[in-house]
Amino acid sequence: AQSVTQLGSHVSVSEGALVLLRCNYSSSVPPYLFWYVQYPNQGLQLLLKYTSAATLVKGINGFEAEFKKSETSFHLTKPSAHMSDAAEYFCAVRSRGNYQLIWGAGTKLIIKP
Amino acid sequence: DAGITQSPRHKVTETGTPVTLRCHQTENHRYMYWYRQDPGHGLRLIHYSYGVKDTDKGEVSDGYSVSRSKTEDFLLTLESATSSQTSVYFCAISDLMGTASSYEQYFGPGTRLTVT
Repeated sequence: AQSVTQLGSHVSVSEGALVLLRCNYSSSVPPYLFWYVQYPNQGLQLLLKYTSAATLVKGINGFEAEFKKSETSFHLTKPSAHMSDAAEYFCAVRSRGNYQLIWGAGTKLIIKP
Repeated sequence: DAGITQSPRHKVTETGTPVTLRCHQTENHRYMYWYRQDPGHGLRLIHYSYGVKDTDKGEVSDGYSVSRSKTEDFLLTLESATSSQTSVYFCAISDLMGTASSYEQYFGPGTRLTVT
């Protein structure tokens, strides 16, 4: 069965520092991959998605993610953290032939001034 | 933003009472989902629908039922609310979008339910 692992339930970075949120999936066939962001007291918002068109995917708010098949990873990065990036981030995967998403447990990003 | 609304946005109810949450979409998407979100558990799928009158159970369906009589509405009913059903409930929708076939989900704003 498909699974998604997000390493670290909390990640803390200083404002201006690199943001790296890790996501690994289990699949024998490259799936569709997604990152969502959830700000406090809001619903989830799609940040970016991988659909096999390009391995480096750019999303909203300066985030990007790179699909690495050999590592079964889809880590989310941002070169310089802003206070407004403080939120919870979820990685999700959809296997081809199935329309449902499998969700990671989420990583709460904390930005230190 | 995808046109998804949830009602009510907040509700406090007593143990043993039935509760119905509504999800309404204006996107004409085929697939609709109900999730609950609890600290330490992430998102858990309760029920989903793949068309009018076509629904199926998710991983945490006990104590919940759903109905979908119209494409735009997906109702979640707690038949007899318990304190363990205190949670934030999210509705989501998806469908085939463009050529990517990615079926990404779009979420409503959530309903915060407290069962006392």
